[in-house]
Amino acid sequence: AQRVTQPEKLLSVFKGAPVELKCNYSYSGSPELFWYVQYSRQRLQLLLRHISRESIKGFTADLNKGETSFHLKKPFAQEEDSAMYYCALSGSNAGNMLTFGGGTRLMVKP
Amino acid sequence: DAMVIQNPRYQVTQFGKPVTLSCSQTLNHNVMYWYQQKSSQAPKLLFHYYDKDFNNEADTPDNFQSRRPNTSFCFLDIRSPGLGDAAMYLCATSRDLLAGRTDTQYFGPGTRLTVL
Repeated sequence: AQRVTQPEKLLSVFKGAPVELKCNYSYSGSPELFWYVQYSRQRLQLLLRHISRESIKGFTADLNKGETSFHLKKPFAQEEDSAMYYCALSGSNAGNMLTFGGGTRLMVKP
Repeated sequence: DAMVIQNPRYQVTQFGKPVTLSCSQTLNHNVMYWYQQKSSQAPKLLFHYYDKDFNNEADTPDNFQSRRPNTSFCFLDIRSPGLGDAAMYLCATSRDLLAGRTDTQYFGPGTRLTVL
């Protein structure tokens, strides 16, 4: 069975500090990994996906198959980054449906 | 320019009283999904429609049903809500289901269901 684990429910950092939101997964095969974000009073939306290998709003995430991780990183956090972040996985084993992690709430303090 | 719309945003029902949640989309996407999200938990997929084909997740209770009368609309019916069904219900859409690739899912704002 596929599973996504986000070990931190809450991460609090100061503005300008580096941020790393952890995501680990279990999946037998080649998964697709995503980060979705939900800002206050807004809907859940895609932030980035590993196959795009792009930086969105300064965030990057590298798929590490050896460690089965897909951590989300940003070198300098901004207050507007405060939100709920969900790591998600999909793969052909489950018909390309998304399995979400439990989420990490990021709070960036001024 | 709302793309995935859910009505109502807040729904209160009584224990055992059937309730219907509504989702509509202006994206003309083939796939529509319903998720249940309980407090402080991950969204959990209940079922999805690929066009008119209904696909139920194995652990979705029979109490939950869905209808998709056309491309734009999809409904979630809870036949006999229990206290444990109180949650946020999220509707999402994606363009297609292609082998080897997962399209971006676009989410609605959710309907928060309270069961008294």
